[in-house]
Amino acid sequence: QQQVKQSPQSLIVQKGGISIINCAYENTAFDYFPWYQQFPGKGPALLIAIRPDVSEKKEGRFTISFNKSAKQFSLHIMDSQPGDSATYFCAASRRGSTLGRLYFGRGTQLTVWP
Amino acid sequence: EAGVVQSPRYKIIEKKQPVAFWCNPISGHNTLYWYLQNLGQGPELLIRYENEEAVDDSQLPKDRFSAERLKGVDSTLKIQPAELGDSAVYLCASSGSGETQYFGPGTRLLVL
Repeated sequence: QQQVKQSPQSLIVQKGGISIINCAYENTAFDYFPWYQQFPGKGPALLIAIRPDVSEKKEGRFTISFNKSAKQFSLHIMDSQPGDSATYFCAASRRGSTLGRLYFGRGTQLTVWP
Repeated sequence: EAGVVQSPRYKIIEKKQPVAFWCNPISGHNTLYWYLQNLGQGPELLIRYENEEAVDDSQLPKDRFSAERLKGVDSTLKIQPAELGDSAVYLCASSGSGETQYFGPGTRLLVL
């Protein structure tokens, strides 16, 4: 059972455009929602993360929007650049006995055309 | 500061052969994770260590997979015998006092 569902599977955006990737979860015990960026041949790297006590977090061109009631969160990449072309994974985890286990979405392959 | 180091980066073996992967976490990180990443999928946790103790190994196929983290630093993940379906990327990650997990580059395994 997929704990975190991610869409779309792939995304093509023109340079300067906005990239939007969506994720949904079921387990209301999740309290940490990171986004990871992965380039080919590399391991995932943390991009930005949010907790459910805020509805939005922005770091540079990257923004997470969080909707607790809908159990959804999304990543927005403003002014998308060719260097942003990578695979993006949303994830979720919770404190407690399974502290640290990240449940990843299936990933979104983003291509930004120059 | 050096990141998470994994070796080998690539491994090709025939089915039924054993294989081992090694991970050196970021210095000072007590928590170490092994993830499996199949092609086109997100990473899935195999095992998590707090120092030397495996505190979450519920997803580790114990009939053929084993792991150890002697002295609470480096870790080794072993598969014996390997099957065709084990072809994947094996990622190691570590974390310190915070929740951020830092991933290594992974070991790409191909079982023929």
